[in-house]
Amino acid sequence: NAGVTQTPKFRVLKTGQSMTLLCAQDMNHEYMYWYRQDPGMGLRLIHYSVGEGTTAKGEVPDGYNVSRLKKQNFLLGLESAAPSQTSVYFCASSWGGQGYNEQFFGPGTRLTVL
Amino acid sequence: ELKVEQNPLFLSMQEGKNYTIYCNYSTTSDRLYWYRQDPGKSLESLFVLLSNGAVKQEGRLMASLDTKARLSTLHITAAVHDLSATYFCAVDRSQGNLIFGKGTKLSVKP
Repeated sequence: NAGVTQTPKFRVLKTGQSMTLLCAQDMNHEYMYWYRQDPGMGLRLIHYSVGEGTTAKGEVPDGYNVSRLKKQNFLLGLESAAPSQTSVYFCASSWGGQGYNEQFFGPGTRLTVL
Repeated sequence: ELKVEQNPLFLSMQEGKNYTIYCNYSTTSDRLYWYRQDPGKSLESLFVLLSNGAVKQEGRLMASLDTKARLSTLHITAAVHDLSATYFCAVDRSQGNLIFGKGTKLSVKP
């Protein structure tokens, strides 16, 4: 099992460009999440999904959109990139529901917006 | 609004010493998590704590939860260099909507 994978690993954008980050998981998890991590900060939740076809806003959703058309994939889109979106982006997935609901993280995508 | 505070943010330890990292949170929650992150790497799950008085141990690390005090601790026993990393606590607001602390950067020196 590959677990949680993210594509691409690195990307450099110019201000105003758009891009999509892909997250895939092979654990049949219901819940998926997108976080960003900035220096000196913990992770902050951007958007999350509790099942195929659903999405919800997290702590810092502005400037991002997401889609969950298939259970195993969760896409994060930046329509018009800004330098403030320079960050490391992590995707995670979990079973959801009661109990531990432990989140498993992907390797991250390092995004630089010039 | 749920807030999560960790302290200390930086910790330099000598090998063989004991120390505790503290995680305070502002509102009630069902679940508390501890993660480890090595430089340039992803997050690795260490512990999930569900109930008041929960205690979990793995090797030289032990985590505990006091829901009445809204406090979790991560205790390090007889530190070794391999434990050098950044440790995060995170509290579940609902549906896995985690609020993370800023992290404690631990450096263990010989």
